Amino acid sequence: GNSVTQMEGPVTLSEEAFLTINCTYTATGYPSLFWYVQYPGEGLQLLLKATKADDKGSNKGFEATYRKETTSFHLEKGSVQVSDSAVYFCALSAQGAQKLVFGQGTRLTINP
Amino acid sequence: EPEVTQTPSHQVTQMGQEVILRCVPISNHLYFYWYRQILGQKVEFLVSFYNNEISEKSEIFDDQFSVERPDGSNFTLKIRSTKLEDSAMYFCASRGIRGRNTEAFFGQGTRLTVV
Repeated sequence: GNSVTQMEGPVTLSEEAFLTINCTYTATGYPSLFWYVQYPGEGLQLLLKATKADDKGSNKGFEATYRKETTSFHLEKGSVQVSDSAVYFCALSAQGAQKLVFGQGTRLTINP
Repeated sequence: EPEVTQTPSHQVTQMGQEVILRCVPISNHLYFYWYRQILGQKVEFLVSFYNNEISEKSEIFDDQFSVERPDGSNFTLKIRSTKLEDSAMYFCASRGIRGRNTEAFFGQGTRLTVV
């Protein structure tokens, strides 16, 4: 079946550090890929998405590239801020499906 | 900015009791979902709802669960007889148009604790 695997958290970094959160997936066909973020006390918000191979999604300084050859969609940011502290979820939506399949989430804490 | 609203934010209930979790999706949206996240585990799909009927459900969504959109604005999840293992964060989501590439908007979640 379809599944998403994220790197284990929590992740703690200093402000201005480089961030990578790994995400790999298993799916038949050509899924769409998403990163959602959950700030403390809030719901899940779409951060970025990519709908086909080699697409790069980007938003708020975050980027992720849809790599079909490695079935990956790693999240990166060049210089993190304290305000980026949140839980990040990688997700996919398979061909012919409406629902999202999520990874387990990675808690990110940025220290000043 | 339009948003999905869930109430209550936290509910504590005794095992065997019925609970109803409420959601107000974005007003012109057509597709509605419930997901849950047991503490420390993945966010899991429960059910999707379109045109006043269930369009897909997971194996978690057994006879103890039901959904309803009674008045065209609220979207509710009912658990008839709660079990300890139903303790989780429950998220409601809605989507405006069909298509797996379109964004699903999520509420802030209801934390259900069954004691």
